[in-house]
Amino acid sequence: DIVMTQSPDSLAVSLGETATINCKSSQSVFYRSTNKNYLAWHQQKPGQPPKLLMYWASTRESGVPDRFSGSGSGTDFTLTISSLQAEDVAVYYCQQYYVTPRTFGQGTKLEIK
Amino acid sequence: QLQLQESGPGLVKPSGTLSLTCAVSGGSITSSDWWTWVRQPPGKGLEWIGEIFHTGTTNYNPSLKGRPSLRSRVTISVDKSKNHFSLTVTSVTAADTAVYYCARARYSDVGVTILDYWGQGTLVTVSS
Repeated sequence: DIVMTQSPDSLAVSLGETATINCKSSQSVFYRSTNKNYLAWHQQKPGQPPKLLMYWASTRESGVPDRFSGSGSGTDFTLTISSLQAEDVAVYYCQQYYVTPRTFGQGTKLEIK
Repeated sequence: QLQLQESGPGLVKPSGTLSLTCAVSGGSITSSDWWTWVRQPPGKGLEWIGEIFHTGTTNYNPSLKGRPSLRSRVTISVDKSKNHFSLTVTSVTAADTAVYYCARARYSDVGVTILDYWGQGTLVTVSS
């Protein structure tokens, strides 16, 4: 299985500042023939189901604000949330869909400082 | 708009069987998408259980822990006439206590599927 490891486990960022969450996969999730990274980010607010934020590592799902951005390739990825707002408090999960079983990172809890 | 709704007992006795159904509305279960179950133990992260295509083809997670392993106790099925799919877990223990989510894995133009729509989830507690 591909192991997904996120860092940090939690972070506190001031409103209006930038939050950065990292995700590392135990093997590359880049598929040469499609030139795509098979990596998604999900946001889970307290008491709610997860919500897809980003796929192909850097493509925002419809309706996701552009202050959310994704980057990286191969085994190392980053989710950046700029101009942090109170509504961004959540746990963020990276997830690979390169192979089954699909696997998730352990989650990063984002709080307001 | 696609909606997924889990239903089933919220309490199951140890050694019993957990049975959940996910009703799909606003879309057809016979589309090109796959239909997935994910669980989340209290206070923990997300665990992918498996997925099914409307033809009945399934993929399961062989690595989920448990005694015996979850893979040997799980069945995912689909009922096209009712536009729903189901999860059955036999011989449950307290370790199977979790919020169970059903989700759609959207078929992409390069042939891989992406989890994009989640149900609200249902808490199943295993306790006598």
